[in-house]
Amino acid sequence: QKEVEQNSGPLSVPEGAIASLNCTYSDRVSQSFFWYRQYSGKSPELIMSIYSNGDKEDGRFTAQLNKASQYVSLLIRDSQPSDSATYLCAVYMGRRALTFGSGTRLQVQP
Amino acid sequence: EADIYQTPRYLVIGTGKKITLECSQTMGHDKMYWYQQDPGMELHLIHYSYGVNSTEKGDLSSESTVSRIRTEHFPLTLESARPSHTSQYLCASSEGLAGGSDTQYFGPGTRLTVL
Repeated sequence: QKEVEQNSGPLSVPEGAIASLNCTYSDRVSQSFFWYRQYSGKSPELIMSIYSNGDKEDGRFTAQLNKASQYVSLLIRDSQPSDSATYLCAVYMGRRALTFGSGTRLQVQP
Repeated sequence: EADIYQTPRYLVIGTGKKITLECSQTMGHDKMYWYQQDPGMELHLIHYSYGVNSTEKGDLSSESTVSRIRTEHFPLTLESARPSHTSQYLCASSEGLAGGSDTQYFGPGTRLTVL
């Protein structure tokens, strides 16, 4: 079992819809959680971070964290074709570097 | 947000050549990292550094070596390039904050092709 699990997708949503990306992690003592977006052939760019249980909103993006269920999600409202990318969930487990999931590929259909 | 630079952005080189991939950051971050990523595949940590004169191997075995003589500079060297080294190499840095809020920022990457 991987330490950070994501559905590889592709997740296909129509333009204007809400895209929901999910991530589970194995280490209960994990402290902080990050979502990165990676376009094909490019490097990952940080979308947002979340440290406490609940929701955190930033523009069209909402991160949700449930430490009891070891679950973190990213909602993208009013999805645009430019949101089509791979979304990486990353977890800080107190080690040398972030632990990354393998990513979920999102396709937003015009 | 970190300013982190990698050169070259693209490199095509023949087998057996020695190459150095450059990575620099201007934010004074203590921690720096090298990842290897094949197209459509996962990120693999190959080297990291906590600070000057501190380097460690990552999760993925790599024939490359790194050095950290200055805080801002973290070059990666391949002594003898092989076709199996063809990949994208991503450099990242973070402040090294305690308590877990240690956001990593990535450079633009170097796409290496070894013929």
